[in-house]
Amino acid sequence: SAVISQKPSRDICQRGTSLTIQCQVDSQVTMMFWYRQQPGQSLTLIATANQGSEATYESGFVIDKFPISRPNLTFSTLTVSNMSPEDSSIYLCSGWDRGLFFGPGTRLTVL
Amino acid sequence: AQKITQTQPGMFVQEKEAVTLDCTYDTSDPSYGLFWYKQPSSGEMIFLIYQGSYDQQNATEGRYSLNFQKARKSANLVISASQLGDSAMYFCAMRRGGSQGNLIFGKGTKLSVKP
Repeated sequence: SAVISQKPSRDICQRGTSLTIQCQVDSQVTMMFWYRQQPGQSLTLIATANQGSEATYESGFVIDKFPISRPNLTFSTLTVSNMSPEDSSIYLCSGWDRGLFFGPGTRLTVL
Repeated sequence: AQKITQTQPGMFVQEKEAVTLDCTYDTSDPSYGLFWYKQPSSGEMIFLIYQGSYDQQNATEGRYSLNFQKARKSANLVISASQLGDSAMYFCAMRRGGSQGNLIFGKGTKLSVKP
């Protein structure tokens, strides 16, 4: 199965700033996804990161708030823009490789 | 609408005993997939087991098995011979129609293994 790494593992940010999370997969995967897990909650899909084209966002998530890049089949970034305390969550990158595998997550706290 | 329900917010099990975590689902798609994940306190999501809707046999992976009852729309996870390291949150998830990685998750069950 694919091994997925994320940077940073955690961060504390000020309201109104932006944070870019990087996701690296150790092998080429066709599909990559970004999920959010708010405190004490389950996981919710933010978007599907498409290689070479715009990401596909789920209802309630927009590109201006969560811009995503996917320049190749092993790398993707998620930016959380103009952050507010409500954005405090774990953000998880995932890739499909005969199953959906997740990175270790990025714990974001917004003050 | 597709939905995953985990009715057990928390479960306790004695070390070395077996435990069943419940999961029911609702979908009108004839083809779907069911997953179980483990999330320790570190936050990572660990893939445990997968069951396809057309699979004839229940999935097994080591100490994990999935009790798939299609008519009842249930996909319960059975952990045999529980270990202290099994203490974690467990999430049941279902693949939405179409995209492989577009999963909907249940609210999770917190399993605590007692020594």
